[in-house]
Amino acid sequence: AQKITQTQPGMFVQEKEAVTLDCTYDTSDPSYGLFWYKQPSSGEMIFLIYQGSYDQQNATEGRYSLNFQKARKSANLVISASQLGDSAMYFCAMRGISNFGNEKLTFGTGTRLTIIP
Amino acid sequence: EAGVTQSPTHLIKTRGQQATLRCSPISGHTSVYWYQQALGLGLQFLLWYDEGEERNRGNFPPRFSGRQFPNYSSELNVNALELEDSALYLCASSLSGDPSGNTIYFGEGSWLTVV
Repeated sequence: AQKITQTQPGMFVQEKEAVTLDCTYDTSDPSYGLFWYKQPSSGEMIFLIYQGSYDQQNATEGRYSLNFQKARKSANLVISASQLGDSAMYFCAMRGISNFGNEKLTFGTGTRLTIIP
Repeated sequence: EAGVTQSPTHLIKTRGQQATLRCSPISGHTSVYWYQQALGLGLQFLLWYDEGEERNRGNFPPRFSGRQFPNYSSELNVNALELEDSALYLCASSLSGDPSGNTIYFGEGSWLTVV
């Protein structure tokens, strides 16, 4: 079974500071993908960044980077130079292929990030 | 290129009625996923369709059902609505193939309110 753990229910960060959102995972799948999504109050889920389990380098997308530590089973999201528009819920998710039919995303409980002016 | 589109955006139903939600995946995507997100809660996996067939379903009662059409669009039906079915229903799509490499994109969701 897959499990995603996000231990920070809420975070407050000063504007322009960097922020790290924690995510740990557990899976027995040999191959899996890790995702981060942003959900503003409007409800839509916005894809931010993806890291494959076999990727050697950490993924980066603009101000977003994923600190992937496979041995520790962690996939933390780092947002550099935070902006007021970054205030939202952030979900870590994983997708594995242990057997056919298990190709769904498993989500963590999310972290509510609030950027303070 | 259009993203995942869902309709309706908002839906209000009375307890006991049926609700139908629709989803059009990104062009070329054959997999469609449905998730329920109750207020203040995380995303709960409902259903996964691929190539027209139901591949997996989450831990939900049979009154939650759906289908995928030949054009890969999908419909989620909720029968005998209960108050606790009030939630945001999110549809997502992806390519088939190596699932660890295919990003899943979400629509903007359908807000269902049961009164």
